[in-house]
Amino acid sequence: AQTVTQSQPEMSVQEAETVTLSCTYDTSENNYYLFWYKQPPSRQMILVIRQEAYKQQNATENRFSVNFQKAAKSFSLKISDSQLGDTAMYFCAFMKSNTGKLIFGQGTTLQVKP
Amino acid sequence: GAGVSQTPSNKVTEKGKYVELRCDPISGHTALYWYRQSLGQGPEFLIYFQGTGAADDSGLPNDRFFAVRPEGSVSTLKIQRTERGDSAVYLCASSLGGSYSNEQFFGPGTRLTVL
Repeated sequence: AQTVTQSQPEMSVQEAETVTLSCTYDTSENNYYLFWYKQPPSRQMILVIRQEAYKQQNATENRFSVNFQKAAKSFSLKISDSQLGDTAMYFCAFMKSNTGKLIFGQGTTLQVKP
Repeated sequence: GAGVSQTPSNKVTEKGKYVELRCDPISGHTALYWYRQSLGQGPEFLIYFQGTGAADDSGLPNDRFFAVRPEGSVSTLKIQRTERGDSAVYLCASSLGGSYSNEQFFGPGTRLTVL
């Protein structure tokens, strides 16, 4: 069975600074996908960024980028130039190839301070 | 366009009662997912529909939980003989298809409280 672990329950960062959220996962699969989702207090889960395991190049979406280390089974999220609107809970998630089923970590609450 | 909607937004019921939670996916999305999120935890997969059929129901915790999607659009999650441990936010998501390349769009959830 696959598991996803986020070891940082809470993080804080000053506005405009950079923060990195950690995620590790355990799987015996070779083909899979990894995701970071953001859940603001409104509860609506929003996709931030995704990564195919077969791609060596790290995914980037504007201020968000990942550091994907397949051998170490690590998938961290870096947020650059943090904004107040980035305050939310962030979830790392795993999907086995073509299953549609997301397996989430426990989440990291990020507070961006002015 | 309209996103995924879920009704009701909040539901309070008594232990032992039956509840139905509704999900309206984005129009044209063939895949629909239900997840359960307990307080302070990540969402936990319950069931996934491709069209009208359940492609994967391995996450349903027991036979008190059942979900349908009779016309391949709206889905209803049904919980019989509710227990206090069923209290959680139930999230629904939909996507164009069931593969990785199709982003899952989530609804705002239904908060279920069992007294």
